[in-house]
Amino acid sequence: KAGVTQTPRYLIKTRGQQVTLSCSPISGHRSVSWYQQTPGQGLQFLFEYFSETQRNKGNFPGRFSGRQFSNSRSEMNVSTLELGDSALYLCASSPGGQNNEKLFFGSGTQLSVL
Amino acid sequence: GENVEQHPSTLSVQEGDSAVIKCTYSDSASNYFPWYKQELGKRPQLIIDIRSNVGEKKDQRIAVTLNKTAKHFSLHITETQPEDSAVYFCAARTDKLIFGTGTRLQVFP
Repeated sequence: KAGVTQTPRYLIKTRGQQVTLSCSPISGHRSVSWYQQTPGQGLQFLFEYFSETQRNKGNFPGRFSGRQFSNSRSEMNVSTLELGDSALYLCASSPGGQNNEKLFFGSGTQLSVL
Repeated sequence: GENVEQHPSTLSVQEGDSAVIKCTYSDSASNYFPWYKQELGKRPQLIIDIRSNVGEKKDQRIAVTLNKTAKHFSLHITETQPEDSAVYFCAARTDKLIFGTGTRLQVFP
């Protein structure tokens, strides 16, 4: 089984631009979660999607949004980029459902905002 | 919402010694507590997890203990090896999985 795939691997943007990150979950997994990883801050929860619906949301501004498609692939969008948005963005998939919440992470997208 | 605190932020041990990482959580409704290991430049990977109806779980050199009353859980690694060097994250889940800030473990030969 292929693992969680994130594209692109690296991105360089400038302030004010927007960016879209993509995540393909493990086949059969219906839940996709997104996390922002920065040094010293650990993994901060952005949102979780399950069957095309946002199931949970973290404490990030509205500039951060996402969606999930019928094939469970997910995208995350960040608009009006700020320097502080520079981070590794990780997505993780799980089968979903009760007692099925083990997360499998992708390799991440390293975003640099200049 | 849930808040997870993790200590220490860095831990250095000699090969063969034990390492202990501790986490506390705030939401008593949390019912699932996984631990992830992230090696340099790699993705986090699940190494062990425990549910709230279990007090302790062991897998070879790794064990996790949970104290629901005190709302804390710990990761114990015995007979540490250089390949155990990594950043370890604890997490707690109610409706979403919230991570601690990580512990950088260095095992010196």
